[in-house]
Amino acid sequence: AQSVTQLDSQVPVFEEAPVELRCNYSSSVSVYLFWYVQYPNQGLQLLLKYLSGSTLVKGINGFEAEFNKSQTSFHLRKPSVHISDTAEYFCAVTLISSGSARQLTFGSGTQLTVLP
Amino acid sequence: DAMVIQNPRYQVTQFGKPVTLSCSQTLNHNVMYWYQQKSSQAPKLLFHYYDKDFNNEADTPDNFQSRRPNTSFCFLDIRSPGLGDAAMYLCATSREIGGKIRGAFFGQGTRLTVV
Repeated sequence: AQSVTQLDSQVPVFEEAPVELRCNYSSSVSVYLFWYVQYPNQGLQLLLKYLSGSTLVKGINGFEAEFNKSQTSFHLRKPSVHISDTAEYFCAVTLISSGSARQLTFGSGTQLTVLP
Repeated sequence: DAMVIQNPRYQVTQFGKPVTLSCSQTLNHNVMYWYQQKSSQAPKLLFHYYDKDFNNEADTPDNFQSRRPNTSFCFLDIRSPGLGDAAMYLCATSREIGGKIRGAFFGQGTRLTVV
């Protein structure tokens, strides 16, 4: 079975500073990787995804993530955050395999708080 | 715009009174999911449909049922809501091709309060 670990439950950062939200996964088969953002009382919005190809993936709102297969990581980064980036961020994986590979497995989430 | 729509956004129900949450999609995706999300937690999958095939998670309580009358609609029925069922309920859709999905699209959620 696959699992996702988000190492930091809360990340406070000052406005215009860079940020990295960490995500590690474990799986016996290859996976697709995703980052979702959730604003208060909203659903989840896809930020970016890694399916194949270049390991550096660019997403919406200036975020990017790098897939590192040897370290089984998919950390999310932004060079300069804004107050509006304050939200909960979830890393998720799904299996690349035959059979039932429909489930998205989520990490526990990281609350990013951008301080003025 | 193609999207996943959940109604209502906020639902208040009485303890023990059946309640139904609805979800519709215009994406024509073959997979639909229901997640339960409690405060400051990750979404927890309750069940999903692949076309009309229903797949229940092993730890989903019997109190939760679902219906998918057609591709576009999916319903979550809570037969006898308890205080512990108060949560955000998220509907999501995905397209499965060749046994794989490439992510999921989520609705805005329904916040359920049980009084």
